[in-house]
Amino acid sequence: QLQLQESGSGLVKPSQTLSLTCAVSGGSISSGGYSWSWIRQPPGKGLEWIGYIYHSGSTYYNPSLKSRVTISVDRSKNQFSLKLSSVTAADTAVYYCATHWDRRFDPWGQGTLVTVSS
Amino acid sequence: QSVLTQPPSVSGAPGQRVTISCTGSSSNIGAGYDVHWYQQLPGTAPKLLIYGNSNRPSGVPDRFSGSKSGTSASLAITGLQAEDEADYYCQSYDSSGVVFGGGTKLTVL
Repeated sequence: QLQLQESGSGLVKPSQTLSLTCAVSGGSISSGGYSWSWIRQPPGKGLEWIGYIYHSGSTYYNPSLKSRVTISVDRSKNQFSLKLSSVTAADTAVYYCATHWDRRFDPWGQGTLVTVSS
Repeated sequence: QSVLTQPPSVSGAPGQRVTISCTGSSSNIGAGYDVHWYQQLPGTAPKLLIYGNSNRPSGVPDRFSGSKSGTSASLAITGLQAEDEADYYCQSYDSSGVVFGGGTKLTVL
């Protein structure tokens, strides 16, 4: 059973880069058929897809965030990462990592709150 | 503003049946993309509730059911229980990628 766990800085200054990592356990991140995704949820608001990366390395990003987002995989550590540059207060959210397969997200990590503030 | 439209809130008494709609367009649901539903209990991460329009993952009670028709989908919950009080989100695709509904808060009266 796959399990995902987010980690990273909970406080980022405006204009800096947000960096998060998602550790995958219970399976290999190199397994075919899966992609690895990031989704966020601003406080009190709905879900927003950020992007995902396939085991092949191909990436797909939300067009509204594409210019600032990078998702990458570290196979040696069985984890994948999110970098979001030039952050503003609007990027304050709970960030979830999730396994993406057959066009659905399952399972999800528990989420980590990132606050953008000086 | 979300690509998929859901009612902000619904409510029902224990034992009753409620439905949550998810309205899209010919660019997403109407284009043939499947709809998936997620349940988010207070303070927790979303959990897959219905996949492929009408399928339940193992462990999801059969009180939950999904359907899709044209450019819309629906989630139905029968025999409402207090533990069903949560936010519910629909998810599909369009040409830009993944799209979510704005979420519906279910209150059990």
